[in-house]
Amino acid sequence: AQKVTQAQTEISVVEKEDVTLDCVYETRDTTYYLFWYKQPPSGELVFLIRRNSFDEQNEISGRYSWNFQKSTSSFNFTITASQVVDSAVYFCALSEAGYTGANSKLTFGKGITLSVRP
Amino acid sequence: ETGVTQTPRHLVMGMTNKKSLKCEQHLGHNAMYWYKQSAKKPLELMFVYNFKEQTENNSVPSRFSPECPNSSHLFLHLHTLQPEDSALYLCASSQDPEGLGNQPQHFGDGTRLSIL
Repeated sequence: AQKVTQAQTEISVVEKEDVTLDCVYETRDTTYYLFWYKQPPSGELVFLIRRNSFDEQNEISGRYSWNFQKSTSSFNFTITASQVVDSAVYFCALSEAGYTGANSKLTFGKGITLSVRP
Repeated sequence: ETGVTQTPRHLVMGMTNKKSLKCEQHLGHNAMYWYKQSAKKPLELMFVYNFKEQTENNSVPSRFSPECPNSSHLFLHLHTLQPEDSALYLCASSQDPEGLGNQPQHFGDGTRLSIL
């Protein structure tokens, strides 16, 4: 069964600090997809990134970067020069590739609450 | 119009009431989902619909009854709920006709449900 572990529950940093959110996953499939979502206080989950299991290239998008390491089953998320608007709950999620006749399910971690103080 | 719209945003109901949650997506997606988000717990998938057909029922109690009249609308009918059903109920949609799970899901703002 697939599983996502976000060991950190709450992180508090001061604005402009860098912060890394950890995500460790478990799956028996060779084809799978990893996601990060952000949930601000308004409640809506906002999609940030998708990575498939065959693409270990790290990605950078502005102040956000992601480090995918299959050897350690980790998909960590770093925010550089954090800002108050980054305060939210961040979820890592895993989807195993579906097969004919069935839908793949998205499994979420428990989320990490990030607070960025001015 | 935002991509996925949920109404109402907040709902307070007694255990004997019957109410419905509504979700509408304007993204042309084929798949729609209901999730339950309780405090300190991961999001729990409840139901999945693909092209109006239910493809997943994650052992959800029968007091929750989903309805998907078309690919753009999804309802969750509630009756005889329990206090532990108080949670944020999130609707999502994705363009995933083959059910491969490789497409991101787009979420609504959720309905905050409180059972008295």
